[in-house]
Amino acid sequence: NAGVTQTPKFQVLKTGQSMTLQCAQDMNHEYMSWYRQDPGMGLRLIHYSVGAGITDQGEVPNGYNVSRSTTEDFPLRLLSAAPSQTSVYFCASSYGPTGGEKLFFGSGTQLSVL
Amino acid sequence: RKEVEQDPGPFNVPEGATVAFNCTYSNSASQSFFWYRQDCRKEPKLLMSVYSSGNEDGRFTAQLNRASQYISLLIRDSKLSDSATYLCVVTPPSNTGKLIFGQGTTLQVKP
Repeated sequence: NAGVTQTPKFQVLKTGQSMTLQCAQDMNHEYMSWYRQDPGMGLRLIHYSVGAGITDQGEVPNGYNVSRSTTEDFPLRLLSAAPSQTSVYFCASSYGPTGGEKLFFGSGTQLSVL
Repeated sequence: RKEVEQDPGPFNVPEGATVAFNCTYSNSASQSFFWYRQDCRKEPKLLMSVYSSGNEDGRFTAQLNRASQYISLLIRDSKLSDSATYLCVVTPPSNTGKLIFGQGTTLQVKP
């Protein structure tokens, strides 16, 4: 039972590069989301999805894109990386469509943008 | 004012102590409340939900005060293994999926 699988664990990018953070869950959860965590800021919601084909913006969506073509996968794309996007990123999922139930988190991605 | 606020601490307590954390929220119509635990460099994990009548899970007690718009977490008989950051999570009234996390309170239990 893999739960939420997030890759890569570490990534270093140069300013202007693009990349995709992968997130997959095998629990048939409807709700998936991406957070970033910065010191003193807590977790801030980037984008979320309440089901396949449905995505919406969270608190800090600028510079990020998402898609939800399947129930299992919810990749996060950085279009043109900036130093301000240096952070720890977490993917999360939950059974219900609103995220108001128990959230299961991936193990996180430490991203550094130089 | 932040939507969800916590005292970041750190709270340094000896083993066996009782410690309490508060978390305030700004939207009086918020629906659901949770406490998550996050160990250093790890992902958050659900500790417990917070119910209107208050709830207990072993040494942990969570309470909700809607009138004053805060939730609390009480840890009795602290263990070294309780050392972690405790995150308060609130579901907004529209319950659309935009969960709001507090910045976390760090607890360090010392021998």
